[in-house]
Parts: sequence; C-alpha cells; structure tokens
Amino acid sequence: LAKTTQPISMDSYEGQEVNITCSHNNIATNDYITWYQQFPSQGPRFIIQGYKTKVTNEVASLFIPADRKSSTLSLPRVSLSDTAVYYCLVGSPSGSARQLTFGSGTQLTVLP
Amino acid sequence: GAGVSQSPSNKVTEKGKDVELRCDPISGHTALYWYRQSLGQGLEFLIYFQGNSAPDKSGLPSDRFSAERTGGSVSTLTIQRTQQEDSAVYLCASSSGQGALHEQYFGPGTRLTVT
Repeated sequence: LAKTTQPISMDSYEGQEVNITCSHNNIATNDYITWYQQFPSQGPRFIIQGYKTKVTNEVASLFIPADRKSSTLSLPRVSLSDTAVYYCLVGSPSGSARQLTFGSGTQLTVLP
Repeated sequence: GAGVSQSPSNKVTEKGKDVELRCDPISGHTALYWYRQSLGQGLEFLIYFQGNSAPDKSGLPSDRFSAERTGGSVSTLTIQRTQQEDSAVYLCASSSGQGALHEQYFGPGTRLTVT
C-alpha cells in the first residue's frame, strides 16, 4: 500500500493561497492521487483527483511532478470556511477498498 | 438527490450493551464502506461491501463487530458487548464502484458514546 505523509497542521490568513503537500514515495504506476476535505462533525467529501501534471476544478488545483512522489493541493484565496482537515489518498482503479487509507490528514486553520 | 444517511445521529449506551448503527447509501451505489473516527484522529477502515457481500472484513477490530448489507442497499453495523474504547464517530460511505476512481460519498456519521 502506498503510504502518504502530510503535515499535521497549517495556518493561513483569509485571501491567501494555501499549498498542502503530500509525500507518497512508493506510489505505484497505476495509482491515482485523491484529496478529500472534512469539516467538523461531517464526513469527508471529495475535492480533486489526478494522475500527473496539473488538474484544476472550481475548488482547487492539484500539482503532481513528473516523478509523482509527491503532490500539492492548492487552494486559492482561502476563506474562513476553508478551515477543515484535508486528506491525501493514493490508490489504483483496480485496487482493494482498504488501500485508500485516509490517515490523519492536515488540519488547515484559516485566520481572519 | 438524497445523499448517504445514517441513524441514529447520536447514541449513548452503557458498557456491555449491544448497538446497531444503520446506513442508507445513495440509491444505485454498489459499494459501501464503514469507517471509525476517534476524536482528533483520521479514519479507520472497518469493512467494505460490494453488493451484499463483504470481500474485505479485515478492518473489523474484534469479533464483537459485525456488519451486514441486505438487498444491495441498507447496511447495519452491530457492536456487541460495547466497551468504552468503542466510543467514536462511525462513518458510512457509498460509491458507484470500488477502486480509486470512484468517489466516496459520506454520511454525517453516528456518534457513539459508551459510558
């Protein structure tokens, strides 16, 4: 199973761009990188997924370098409501359910 | 459309009692997952269903835990002889298939407190 490593916590201020990096040194060829967001007292929700280079949607961007051993979730111009835990997951389309390990995530706190 | 629902939202029980937690997945979703989240911790995988069968029960922490899914829809997680260390939020998720390309949709969770 590809193990991921993320910072435990990050602080930012409203209006800033936030980058959260996840390390996955033993990522396999078929593995995809997926990020989820979890607000207090709620279940996680999907943010973005990618395989290589860059993926952008209305919420975030995901940057994946050529060696794919890490990935960076970028949140533009964060607001207080972006305070949440962010999880990086690595797994393949044909992999087992258990491979998608959520881990402890990164607690992002956005300050006014 | 309706999302994943779980009941009860909160459950307080005495040590030694049995509890049942229910999950109603999104209609048509064949995959269903149960996770446990202790305060301030990440999600701990418990069990996964594909249809009515559970190909992966490896995450169940002890034989006091069991789960079933009927009709490819509703799932019940049962904890027998509850212990204080079972106190946690139990999350259910469903998806249209297993594997990394299938987004998991989570319910709001059941907060279990064992006194």
